Amino acid sequence: GAGVSQSPSNKVTEKGKDVELRCDPISGHTALYWYRQSLGQGLEFLIYFQGNSAPDKSGLPSDRFSAERTGGSVSTLTIQRTQQEDSAVYLCASSFTSLVEQFFGPGTRLTVL
Amino acid sequence: RKEVEQDPGPFNVPEGATVAFNCTYSNSASQSFFWYRQDCRKEPKLLMSVYSSGNEDGRFTAQLNRASQYISLLIRDSKLSDSATYLCVVNNQGGKLIFGQGTELSVKP
Repeated sequence: GAGVSQSPSNKVTEKGKDVELRCDPISGHTALYWYRQSLGQGLEFLIYFQGNSAPDKSGLPSDRFSAERTGGSVSTLTIQRTQQEDSAVYLCASSFTSLVEQFFGPGTRLTVL
Repeated sequence: RKEVEQDPGPFNVPEGATVAFNCTYSNSASQSFFWYRQDCRKEPKLLMSVYSSGNEDGRFTAQLNRASQYISLLIRDSKLSDSATYLCVVNNQGGKLIFGQGTELSVKP
């Protein structure tokens, strides 16, 4: 079946602009996660949605970052007033429930000039 | 101290070698454990979950020692295609995964 999909695959933006990154999880997966991976670094947790519960936003690095999950499916990660340090690969993952294995999308490579 | 720590790499081994990766985690309440592999400029892909009793999948064997908070991955008869970065991953609080920095493996002919 279809895996996790993300769009766009690449995004180049200017410092100070807002960007939106999209994630389509695997159908039937109730949990959705956002991570980011900076060049040469490990993966860093950003935010987690589980069903209708309030999201775990504990990994968001600043209030410029926000995410929504509409209808329990598609999610959008928004970065406002982008900075150069926001440049990274943003990865979305989904899982059937929490505590089980997560499946990752191909990521969005964000470059802030 | 990092929540999940792995052997520093890179590991350079010949084809057919056996290689072992080690990982320790700091949160004794951690609930589930995984090994992922990540190829260059690709997303992480699940290699295997790790169970308390230990588990094997072909050439790959994973072990968990909860008392020592230690996880291992053994790869037997390594192939060129095993070259990748291996990520030790822990799930602590019902959702977010904590990733180790990864250990790079390079299998040479």
